[in-house]
Amino acid sequence: DADVTQTPRNRITKTGKRIMLECSQTKGHDRMYWYRQDPGLGLQLIYYSFDVKDINKGEISDGYSVSRQAQAKFSLSLESAIPNQTALYFCATSDSVVNTGELFFGEGSRLTVL
Amino acid sequence: KQEVTQIPAALSVPEGENLVLNCSFTDSAIYNLQWFRQDPGKGLTSLLLIQSSQREQTSGRLNASLDKSSGRSTLYIAASQPGDSATYLCAVTLSGNTPLVFGKGTRLSVIA
Repeated sequence: DADVTQTPRNRITKTGKRIMLECSQTKGHDRMYWYRQDPGLGLQLIYYSFDVKDINKGEISDGYSVSRQAQAKFSLSLESAIPNQTALYFCATSDSVVNTGELFFGEGSRLTVL
Repeated sequence: KQEVTQIPAALSVPEGENLVLNCSFTDSAIYNLQWFRQDPGKGLTSLLLIQSSQREQTSGRLNASLDKSSGRSTLYIAASQPGDSATYLCAVTLSGNTPLVFGKGTRLSVIA
């Protein structure tokens, strides 16, 4: 099993629908991140969390919200999806104890908003 | 604001060639720099991490160097193989408590 698991892997939805992408990890890391990847634009940070009670906005947080339900779980929600939120979404983790800053990624969730 | 640039955006080479991918960053006070590999439609795999106090890291046929003063890193791939075809991304962070900032990547094709 993967250390960082994202569900669903693929999702097609319609404009205005609420969507939740979930991420769980077995690495025991305290830090978790959500990134968005668009063709030709690289990865952009949406939200990040350094522990269960910590939530921080990234560079493109508008239209998104997150929930850190437990150390191992970090969910990303789109309250009312719009077509320009069509993208590949990645969850990642890192370990503050080791604190090298090394990131470990999930396989991604491809979201299409029609 | 830290900006990371990768040149070229795409590169095609014949099998067996040695090649260099470039990464530059605007703020030289980095904490570390990471190189990742991404296969189409897949997640990112960490290749090499260079701490700010280090000059280079090696793993197999890969060697990454870091020159903080000039704001540059290079990823050297020796004896390239078709299996090396992927997108390579560079990312930097300014501290242990700051998320990584990514470049847009270099898409590498190694032709058999």
